[in-house]
Amino acid sequence: DAGITQSPRHKVTETGTPVTLRCHQTENHRYMYWYRQDPGHGLRLIHYSYGVKDTDKGEVSDGYSVSRSKTEDFLLTLESATSSQTSVYFCAISEMDSGANVLTFGAGSRLTVL
Amino acid sequence: GQNIDQPTEMTATEGAIVQINCTYQTSGFNGLFWYQQHAGEAPTFLSYNVLDGLEEKGRFSSFLSRSKGYSYLLLKELQMKDSASYLCAVHGEDSNYQLIWGAGTKLIIKP
Repeated sequence: DAGITQSPRHKVTETGTPVTLRCHQTENHRYMYWYRQDPGHGLRLIHYSYGVKDTDKGEVSDGYSVSRSKTEDFLLTLESATSSQTSVYFCAISEMDSGANVLTFGAGSRLTVL
Repeated sequence: GQNIDQPTEMTATEGAIVQINCTYQTSGFNGLFWYQQHAGEAPTFLSYNVLDGLEEKGRFSSFLSRSKGYSYLLLKELQMKDSASYLCAVHGEDSNYQLIWGAGTKLIIKP
């Protein structure tokens, strides 16, 4: 199994505070992604990275920033958390092989913003 | 716009067969994926279809018809551990292989 870990797994914070979620992989995969998952919605892409210092926005990027200074780490920052950012956040990695971009997901980080 | 539709919830009996449908409307098509997600856990990859037809993998099979924008996941000999959500995702036309996700189908297995 791919080695991918997320931290913290659970966090409760207050509106207006900054929050950083960390995704760490041991697979040396090129692509890393941050998704959020909310009831009634499909997984929604926040940001993704296609290499060190190479990142791009997904469909729900407002209020979020990312950084990737090393292949193995992809950080997601909520600059000023709001209640609408209460969600489960999943990191994923992939190494496109034969055209099938199969994602391997981390265990998820449950964030509650009060 | 781009859209993927799946039933919200389905119920089936242990030992039976169930078919979970997925219809999609996307700008371009480069493959369709099925993932399984148990409650409180991460999604895990089940199958990938890029050509029309049926792909069989043990008790699970996945079918694709590109002309109809349609796929289904067939689960045979249902077991209680198959109770999970099943997510359909399409790789549309995008240079970075971004996926468009359905909201998932929650499958409940009854004894």
